[in-house]
Amino acid sequence: GAGVSQSPSNKVTEKGKDVELRCDPISGHTALYWYRQSLGQGLEFLIYFQGNSAPDKSGLPSDRFSAERTGGSVSTLTIQRTQQEDSAVYLCASSVGLASIYEQYFGPGTRLTVT
Amino acid sequence: GIQVEQSPPDLILQEGANSTLRCNFSDSVNNLQWFHQNPWGQLINLFYIPSGTKQNGRLSATTVATERYSLLYISSSQTTDSGVYFCAPESGNKLTFGGGTRVLVKP
Repeated sequence: GAGVSQSPSNKVTEKGKDVELRCDPISGHTALYWYRQSLGQGLEFLIYFQGNSAPDKSGLPSDRFSAERTGGSVSTLTIQRTQQEDSAVYLCASSVGLASIYEQYFGPGTRLTVT
Repeated sequence: GIQVEQSPPDLILQEGANSTLRCNFSDSVNNLQWFHQNPWGQLINLFYIPSGTKQNGRLSATTVATERYSLLYISSSQTTDSGVYFCAPESGNKLTFGGGTRVLVKP
């Protein structure tokens, strides 16, 4: 079946603009995760959803970052007033259930460049 | 939060060589995954291994949860094995990634 998909694959934006990144999880996966990979910070957790609820938002770097998930499926990560330090690859993953029990599968990522 | 250390940070292998990558973590975990990040950035699942030993072709992994480490073995390495290998133990329903081991296999 289809894997995790993300769009766009690349996004270049000007400092101060808002961006939306989209993730389509594997069909039937109830848990969805956002991570970020940057040169200075490595791969870091941002937020996870169980269904449409986000029990853990502890990794979001600032209040400029928000995410939502609708219908237990698609998720959108929004970054407002982008800064150069937001430049990174944003990765989405999904799993059948909670990560404590189930394997996570990753999408190809969205490369965000803030100029 | 949990700390994850991977060693070595870089590894150069001659094609056909064997090697072991190590992952140490600071706290007890419910599970652990190993990934290979290919040159295009895709994270490919290698093993889901909370404990014990698993093998998949030329790769195998062992996790000793009580001693808080995991090992990834690459045997008879091939150039396609090049890339970055990450271990990621789970804690609090999220993965925490180590810094990775960058592997280059030379023909």
